[in-house]
Amino acid sequence: SAVISQKPSRDICQRGTSLTIQCQVDSQVTMMFWYRQQPGQSLTLIATANQGSEATYESGFVIDKFPISRPNLTFSTLTVSNMSPEDSSIYLCSVEGQTGLYEQYFGPGTRLTVT
Amino acid sequence: QKEVEQDPGPLSVPEGAIVSLNCTYSNSAFQYFMWYRQYSRKGPELLMYTYSSGNKEDGRFTAQVDKSSKYISLFIRDSQPSDSATYLCAIYTGGFKTIFGAGTRLFVKA
Repeated sequence: SAVISQKPSRDICQRGTSLTIQCQVDSQVTMMFWYRQQPGQSLTLIATANQGSEATYESGFVIDKFPISRPNLTFSTLTVSNMSPEDSSIYLCSVEGQTGLYEQYFGPGTRLTVT
Repeated sequence: QKEVEQDPGPLSVPEGAIVSLNCTYSNSAFQYFMWYRQYSRKGPELLMYTYSSGNKEDGRFTAQVDKSSKYISLFIRDSQPSDSATYLCAIYTGGFKTIFGAGTRLFVKA
């Protein structure tokens, strides 16, 4: 199984600022995913990041607000831009598993609080 | 109607109890059904997956899919305090996308 690390693990930010979250995987993977997990709600997919191409965003998420980089097969970043308190959430990255896309390995998450 | 619905609980049981966790879904075309376990301040980890209908057993855990009623279940036998976590059902919908239930918080009391 892949080992995934995220930085920072948590942060408290002021509204109007931006935060970049890093996701590092210990092996090369094709697909990486970014999710948001709000209290009491299900994991919501923000975007899918495939190395060498533009990220694919889900309905309700736009590149200007959540720009994503995927410079190589082991690393990705998600930026939360111009933050508001509604962006307070846990942000998780994940990668496809070895047995198929129905299997995902998740990072520990970044807990973001916007004041 | 949400694509997948899950009772958020919390569910509190004594140690040794049999736990039943459930989800319903809306699209009969779905084929891959998963259960993830998430401990506090950790990311979800895949517990089990099932393809199409039927049961799958792994130790104290049994996953069950009833496609006729669009109902998926996870049973935990002889529950332990270490099983205390949030359990998320998930369905792979194709196109690199998985949808998740809201998660059920389980507390197993020693």
